Amino acid sequence: AAGVIQSPRHLIKEKRETATLKCYPIPRHDTVYWYQQGPGQDPQFLISFYEKMQSDKGSIPDRFSAQQFSDYHSELNMSSLELGDSALYFCASSLGVGSHNSPLHFGNGTRLTVT
Amino acid sequence: KNEVEQSPQNLTAQEGEFITINCSYSVGISALHWLQQHPGGGIVSLFMLSSGKKKHGRLIATINIQEKHSSLHITASHPRDSAVYICAAYTGANSKLTFGKGITLSVRP
Repeated sequence: AAGVIQSPRHLIKEKRETATLKCYPIPRHDTVYWYQQGPGQDPQFLISFYEKMQSDKGSIPDRFSAQQFSDYHSELNMSSLELGDSALYFCASSLGVGSHNSPLHFGNGTRLTVT
Repeated sequence: KNEVEQSPQNLTAQEGEFITINCSYSVGISALHWLQQHPGGGIVSLFMLSSGKKKHGRLIATINIQEKHSSLHITASHPRDSAVYICAAYTGANSKLTFGKGITLSVRP
């Protein structure tokens, strides 16, 4: 069965550069969530989208932006990268927003390293 | 204080042992995920449950909503079970997913 696809798997950037992370949800899933997991930390919710509209916002820095496209894939754009942005960024998808009846499916994540 | 608590932070076991990992939460939840994350890897949802018990292979998950407690049991543990196990609960009106800090399990051969 198709899973949540994230690209790239690994990304190395320098300080002050920009990065774009992509997430392709499971087919027919209309909700995407982005999480940031720093080294040794629990995942922190960044932002979510439902039907191409932002549905919830967490601890996403102003330097980051995200959107969901007509095919439901989502992109996380990160600018003016800082060393502290080095983390595993993973996305999850579900059918319906905030639905405990529709479990989240997680991608393998993009490991971003800022040097 | 985290809304979702897991302890201990690290757990070491010998191959073949029966392992129990616990999760407690302080708020009302509608359901809870047990997640597995291998070193440097992505997150896999092992179970999502809102009541009772679920079993898949050597893994069993239970939840007691009244006591605000869930457990993940691993029978006949194997070194490949070594991973971080995270419980994440759907909390709040929007069913926001709140993560515990995870337990690092090492199973020695």
